Amino acid sequence: EPEVTQTPSHQVTQMGQEVILRCVPISNHLYFYWYRQILGQKVEFLVSFYNNEISEKSEIFDDQFSVERPDGSNFTLKIRSTKLEDSAMYFCATKAPTSYYQETQYFGPGTRLLVL
Amino acid sequence: DQQVKQNSPSLSVQEGRISILNCDYTNSMFDYFLWYKKYPAEGPTFLISISSIKDKNEDGRFTVFLNKSAKHLSLHIVPSQPGDSAVYFCAASNYNQGGKLIFGQGTELSVKP
Repeated sequence: EPEVTQTPSHQVTQMGQEVILRCVPISNHLYFYWYRQILGQKVEFLVSFYNNEISEKSEIFDDQFSVERPDGSNFTLKIRSTKLEDSAMYFCATKAPTSYYQETQYFGPGTRLLVL
Repeated sequence: DQQVKQNSPSLSVQEGRISILNCDYTNSMFDYFLWYKKYPAEGPTFLISISSIKDKNEDGRFTVFLNKSAKHLSLHIVPSQPGDSAVYFCAASNYNQGGKLIFGQGTELSVKP
């Protein structure tokens, strides 16, 4: 069964450093999402991406965050200057083209980011 | 922002019995609802979903019920198995809002042998 994959599984970085989190979507999926879960809290939406542009972003997704699909396969989340509060599990999710009935989002295993 | 709420942080059930997990929402524009199962340090795994045009969807041991007037959905697991022990999240979305998922806080299910 096709899966969403994410790399790295864990990332430790110093405050102020840049990190890039990578996701390989399921091959025929066209909608891409990033979510995060701070320890003990809800899974929160960050950004959605379709047709090579951002569809929607949350208040969390400020100027320090960016997304791109550089090579038509990988989908990346970049945090330019990490803060302590960026420490969280980051999940990529992908979805097939929608029909009248919503399609399901499938999640990757996540990247655990720790900012020191 | 409490648009999706799971008021029970935990639930303990005996193996073979029914598990009922509940979820309430406040946004009447939601038109698609999903249940995910999650183990620690893993991503959410899709279980079952329901469109707002239906009131029930069944897949094997899992059934989701939707009561739109009460803005309430529930997940029934029958019979419960020890392998079902995990955190269960309900999530909701609206097609016209790009399909982003709004999650509840999760309910930790423990199925005891």
